[in-house]
Amino acid sequence: DGGITQSPKYLFRKEGQNVTLSCEQNLNHDAMYWYRQDPGQGLRLIYYSQIVNDFQKGDIAEGYSVSREKKESFPLTVTSAQKNPTAFYLCASMDRAGELFFGEGSRLTVL
Amino acid sequence: SQKIEQNSEALNIQEGKTATLTCNYTNYSPAYLQWYRQDPGRGPVFLLLIRENEKEKRKERLKVTFDTTLKQSLFHITASQPADSATYLCALTQDNAGNMLTFGGGTRLMVKP
Repeated sequence: DGGITQSPKYLFRKEGQNVTLSCEQNLNHDAMYWYRQDPGQGLRLIYYSQIVNDFQKGDIAEGYSVSREKKESFPLTVTSAQKNPTAFYLCASMDRAGELFFGEGSRLTVL
Repeated sequence: SQKIEQNSEALNIQEGKTATLTCNYTNYSPAYLQWYRQDPGRGPVFLLLIRENEKEKRKERLKVTFDTTLKQSLFHITASQPADSATYLCALTQDNAGNMLTFGGGTRLMVKP
């Protein structure tokens, strides 16, 4: 089935560690996005990519990095520079009609 | 500053009634507006998209209106069911935003049997 696959679903990190969240899509979409969601809050855009080998910062990019080496893959690294990384992370891709397709999310907890 | 506001308080309604959720925006000129449903611990799921030149859109029991003068969208669920209980998010994109979607904070809907 076509869709967005995020892994891991749950991740624990010690302070000072970098962690990478995986996002893979088989929908053949050009545009991909990473959002962060805090409890009871809406989604805030971290990074987005409209084409392979190109990406743009969103509203809260500090402390995060991404790469887009393949159309299917858009991994997000949460670096030690991110001071409050505990959150629910959502990856999405967008079709040509402008609809977002989301993965099931990755919940990151800093110990 | 730019804002997208949804009622942060939960909306509680009785099964069978119509639920109406509001999305207000400030300092945006959206090309289109979307509504998503999110269940706890899951990713949002697309429901409806309405463009700036459309007044109303329907899909089964769902209806969305878009008033660019009032800078407001209303989302209606008719004949609501307990299974409709979820958080509903509105999101909009501007003409020059390169397909960048900005989300409101969401409104939680509780439909009681």
